[in-house]
Amino acid sequence: EAEVAQSPRYKITEKSQAVAFWCDPISGHATLYWYRQILGQGPELLVQFQDESVVDDSQLPKDRFSAERLKGVDSTLKIQPAELGDSAMYLCASSSSRAGGGKTQYFGPGTRLLVL
Amino acid sequence: AQRVTQPEKLLSVFKGAPVELKCNYSYSGSPELFWYVQYSRQRLQLLLRHISRESIKGFTADLNKGETSFHLKKPFAQEEDSAMYYCALSGAGSYQLTFGKGTKLSVIP
Repeated sequence: EAEVAQSPRYKITEKSQAVAFWCDPISGHATLYWYRQILGQGPELLVQFQDESVVDDSQLPKDRFSAERLKGVDSTLKIQPAELGDSAMYLCASSSSRAGGGKTQYFGPGTRLLVL
Repeated sequence: AQRVTQPEKLLSVFKGAPVELKCNYSYSGSPELFWYVQYSRQRLQLLLRHISRESIKGFTADLNKGETSFHLKKPFAQEEDSAMYYCALSGAGSYQLTFGKGTKLSVIP
């Protein structure tokens, strides 16, 4: 069964360093999402892509975060510079754009980031 | 603004007892509601969505627009139901999900 892939699974970095996370959605899924999940909270949307275009990045801290999905397939989320408050789980999800099934999101295993 | 509230952080029940995980939402239009579940060491996955009106693993949830609730219920809890449960909302015409903070269900043998 096809799954969303993410790497790395864990990342430890020092504050002010740059970090990058990678996501490969389920093949054929046009919509890709990046979420941040702080311990004890639910996932919060950072950015949504439809193919290679950003649909919504209103919750993305653009002074330090960037996201791209250049060919409309896999995606990279970058933080530069990382801050202590960025420690969290970063989740990637994808969904089909087909009517009826488009709202079901399939999640990756996440990347747990620890900023020291 | 849309919001999802799960009032219980932790719910402990004995095996065989009924389970109800509460979810209330705030949304001005007609939302679509979901329950997602995360078992230990597994990824977040869809459990059920209100438009499907189906029972998954014995769980059901009914959307009550008058009370703006979408509580998750199961008549007899099993140990394998122990997990983190998240209620989520999607607005009309949107594919985005707004999640609650989650409820950890612990089923005591």
